[in-house]
Amino acid sequence: ETGVTQSPTHLIKTRGQQVTLRCSSQSGHNTVSWYQQALGQGPQFIFQYYREEENGRGNFPPRFSGLQFPNYSSELNVNALELDDSALYLCAGAVANTRELFFGEGSRLTVL
Amino acid sequence: LAKTTQPISMDSYEGQEVNITCSHNNIATNDYITWYQQFPSQGPRFIIQGYKTKVTNEVASLFIPADRKSSTLSLPRVSLSDTAVYYCLVGGSNAGKSTFGDGTTLTVKP
Repeated sequence: ETGVTQSPTHLIKTRGQQVTLRCSSQSGHNTVSWYQQALGQGPQFIFQYYREEENGRGNFPPRFSGLQFPNYSSELNVNALELDDSALYLCAGAVANTRELFFGEGSRLTVL
Repeated sequence: LAKTTQPISMDSYEGQEVNITCSHNNIATNDYITWYQQFPSQGPRFIIQGYKTKVTNEVASLFIPADRKSSTLSLPRVSLSDTAVYYCLVGGSNAGKSTFGDGTTLTVKP
């Protein structure tokens, strides 16, 4: 048990649509990071939020955006979905400046 | 961020000890080495972390030589349930910006 939950677990969208994925982390996790994991590859860092502000971004376009809320929950929003956005999206909570990530089980997004 | 290199896959049998080596030639002075385990359709799970020499916990050991340019994850007496992908990460204090490689797929056979 990591104390991090994600929803929905699975969803299907069509190209051009928008999607919102949600994450709830445990008390004390003041940073949240989002990762995209394509089939057969390792997780790729999308961005991190700390104190409700974006605190670093990987090589992802602006149509990937996020929010972090004071109650340790967060959202990942993806606009104008493309087929290549099909992946497992992982949320990870952590205490700032610590070295252990606590991952959720992920949201499996399929774009048709 | 330091780049890591791991074998793509390894096979083992139940009851054997498994050693997975990770190369990280460009590791920085402040970097730690962390290993995660991931089962299909689940998020990665923290296994062990170290800075130098040897670290042991209830599930694994981590060996780091003096030059810190590589590390070895050791899993004692593996079982079928240890079949998973294992990732080696190298980074500083902000783990949330970690870079994952493609990991090592360990298959344990009966």
